[in-house]
Amino acid sequence: EAGVTQSPTHLIKTRGQQVTLRCSPISGHTSVYWYQQALGLGLQFLLWYDEGEERNRGNFPPRFSGRQFPNYSSELNVNALELEDSALYLCASSLAGGAGEQFFGPGTRLTVL
Amino acid sequence: RKEVEQDPGPFNVPEGATVAFNCTYSNSASQSFFWYRQDCRKEPKLLMSVYSSGNEDGRFTAQLNRASQYISLLIRDSKLSDSATYLCVVPTPHSGGSNYKLTFGKGTLLTVNP
Repeated sequence: EAGVTQSPTHLIKTRGQQVTLRCSPISGHTSVYWYQQALGLGLQFLLWYDEGEERNRGNFPPRFSGRQFPNYSSELNVNALELEDSALYLCASSLAGGAGEQFFGPGTRLTVL
Repeated sequence: RKEVEQDPGPFNVPEGATVAFNCTYSNSASQSFFWYRQDCRKEPKLLMSVYSSGNEDGRFTAQLNRASQYISLLIRDSKLSDSATYLCVVPTPHSGGSNYKLTFGKGTLLTVNP
């Protein structure tokens, strides 16, 4: 069974640009989560989508946004990139509920120059 | 108290040693807990779930003390391949308890030396 997939694996952008990251959950999982992991720091919760709706949001500015599609895949959009947005962006999926085990994708490593 | 707080580490132990990591959490409503393992520059992977007082899986034992809001992970007979960052994860209620989010500790780095 395929795990969580993310694309692209690496991305280099410059300040002020916009980026879209993509995630496909495990088949049968309806919840998708996004996390940011900056170098040397822990996972910071960004967003949680379930059944196409945003269920919870972490302490990030509005330029971080996303959506979930009818097939449960998800996009994370970051506008007006800043240097400190450089990080590993991880997507995870789970069966609905939010309190259950989450399975992570390999991540997208974003570098902002 | 922070939502989830772990031993900062790092831990450096010889092969065969027993090592324990501690984690405390602030929300007494949390019911289930997880330990994840994250290798360098890789994604976190579930190591163990803890739903009652504890869980054992081979060399790994997780214990839960609800009264003290404390979780531990014990690794016996450490292997070189155990070298990784270990993340304590606690579901915390949101919006009146109907929604939850997983809160990750900052992780404890373990290096097992030959």
